[in-house]
Amino acid sequence: DIQMTQSPSILSASVGDRVTITCRASQTVGSWLAWYQQKPGKAPKLLIHMASTLESGVPSRFSGSGSGTEFTLSISSLQPEDFATYYCQQYNTYSYTFGQGTKVEIK
Amino acid sequence: EVQLVESGGGLVQPGGSLRLSCAASGFTFKAYWMTWVRQAPGKGLEWVANINQDGSEKYYVDSVKGRFTISRDNARNALYLQMNSLRGEDTAVYYCARGFNCAYWGQGALLTVSS
Repeated sequence: DIQMTQSPSILSASVGDRVTITCRASQTVGSWLAWYQQKPGKAPKLLIHMASTLESGVPSRFSGSGSGTEFTLSISSLQPEDFATYYCQQYNTYSYTFGQGTKVEIK
Repeated sequence: EVQLVESGGGLVQPGGSLRLSCAASGFTFKAYWMTWVRQAPGKGLEWVANINQDGSEKYYVDSVKGRFTISRDNARNALYLQMNSLRGEDTAVYYCARGFNCAYWGQGALLTVSS
């Protein structure tokens, strides 16, 4: 099975900061990678699919990059509504895998 | 508008069974793979199972193989998860989601396995 490892697990940042979250796969997943945002008590929300394609309606301050085994999610200027937990997910194989999550908290 | 609505959650004793349902609307259900994802209290997301458009392909996380069965009824626009031999570690919110990249999610159904 493909393992997905996110870093850091917790990220403390301020409004206006640029933040980057990394997701590494134990074997190549091509570009079959998605990023989700989850707020407490809510279902996850798809932000990016195919590693770098922004989902409709998602602010352009979010961006994704990478392929193969290393991927990043960046937020160019952190907004108050962006404090949440972020997950990567590979869907290169029919057995999907999520990363363990990165909590972005207020510094 | 795409909607996914889970139902059937509740409290079950260890060793018991339960079936979750997910009612889909606002899209051509039979055209999409469907997925179940769960989240234990305070934990991250875990993919549970998925099923192809006509139900001929099904995949499961190792921890539920032989105990859970995913199925669908395209005439009713419904997705199901039959869960047997339930354990405490199955306690979670269960979400249904559409497609490979889970573009749409339901609100979740809580399953609690406890005596």
